[in-house]
Amino acid sequence: GESVGLHLPTLSVQEGDNSIINCAYSNSASDYFIWYKQESGKGPQFIIDIRSNMDKRQGQRVTVLLNKTVKHLSLQIAATQPGDSAVYFCAENPGSARQLTFGSGTQLTVLP
Amino acid sequence: DGGITQSPKYLFRKEGQNVTLSCEQNLNHDAMYWYRQDPGQGLRLIYYSQIVNDFQKGDIAEGYSVSREKKESFPLTVTSAQKNPTAFYLCASSMTLMKKLFFGSGTQLSVL
Repeated sequence: GESVGLHLPTLSVQEGDNSIINCAYSNSASDYFIWYKQESGKGPQFIIDIRSNMDKRQGQRVTVLLNKTVKHLSLQIAATQPGDSAVYFCAENPGSARQLTFGSGTQLTVLP
Repeated sequence: DGGITQSPKYLFRKEGQNVTLSCEQNLNHDAMYWYRQDPGQGLRLIYYSQIVNDFQKGDIAEGYSVSREKKESFPLTVTSAQKNPTAFYLCASSMTLMKKLFFGSGTQLSVL
């Protein structure tokens, strides 16, 4: 089946810098995408979602960009803080509501 | 305080034993899910339920069973047929099937 992958397994950024976490997807039929944040030993926390009829969506300190041409999704975190340290992963729905496909995640570490 | 409550947080299973993981939600969501998370891997769907008294197998249902007698509750039983049960189990719910899932805090199951 189709799968969602991440370009980098780990990402380290300085506190206060912006972070960009990338996600590649292969199912061109996917019409809905979600970003989650998961801290160690906890359940995933919803960050932001985007539908395929949009190419950008902003939340509080976060922006998701969707490039359907190259099947690429990114999560931008502005002014990264120590509390942002976590695993971030994306999920896609291939449009048939069969199920969400989750990536394995990127570990974001914020350096002091 | 609305949300999804999973219990227990840690659970140990002996050989040949069935164990049941609890999941309760007060979000009035119709759909509920069980996922399994292994280190460094994406979430894999075990079972999901779109409505009371109905549930469907996910990708890795073998060795697991569920019930959905109440809208608020979706317990997962890990049976003795599941030979590799050690994992982090996550329950989730959503208003609409496979859209914007909200997760509980997880149960870590280990084998004695």
